[in-house]
Amino acid sequence: DAKTTQPTSMDCAEGRAANLPCNHSTISGNEYVYWYRQIHSQGPQYIIHGLKNNETNEMASLIITEDRKSSTLILPHATLRDTAVYYCIVRVVDFNKFYFGSGTKLNVKP
Amino acid sequence: DGGITQSPKYLFRKEGQNVTLSCEQNLNHDAMYWYRQDPGQGLRLIYYSQIVNDFQKGDIAEGYSVSREKKESFPLTVTSAQKNPTAFYLCASSSSFDGYTFGSGTRLTVV
Repeated sequence: DAKTTQPTSMDCAEGRAANLPCNHSTISGNEYVYWYRQIHSQGPQYIIHGLKNNETNEMASLIITEDRKSSTLILPHATLRDTAVYYCIVRVVDFNKFYFGSGTKLNVKP
Repeated sequence: DGGITQSPKYLFRKEGQNVTLSCEQNLNHDAMYWYRQDPGQGLRLIYYSQIVNDFQKGDIAEGYSVSREKKESFPLTVTSAQKNPTAFYLCASSSSFDGYTFGSGTRLTVV
């Protein structure tokens, strides 16, 4: 699986959009981009995933660049409960293993 | 509701003892995984199993053992050979096209 690079930490004001970047410059054509988040001492929670097109669900939006070498997770209106570590992972659909890096610690501040 | 259950939530082990962490899922997922997480770190893969009666070592399998006798269950044994077992252990399951579903974790402490 391709490796990903994320900033170690980011701050965001409550109510503002949080934009979390991820670089995956060695991604292959059949690898999806997944985002998970982990609130302290809990299991990671699925947020969203995509292949080429931008995706949106009730939690977030995923913007993938045209060359697929990077992506951005957008939380449109961050709340204090969005404070967590966010992991960006790339994965071949028919090969199950996920490799987690250290992620981005998002601090949402009042 | 379908989900994945880990037990116990907290576990204390004396040095030299083996201990087994339970992981059960009712999602009908084929694949199951065990990860270890140390404070401030990401998740590291210990073992995984893609079908019943088969499992593979991950990146940090030394000192751990697993079994997969049933699709629903994937217990992890932390043996006395694991030199630094104090950590947060996470179990997950997935099907071919789904992402992972994680359990709530077991925090193991050696006393």
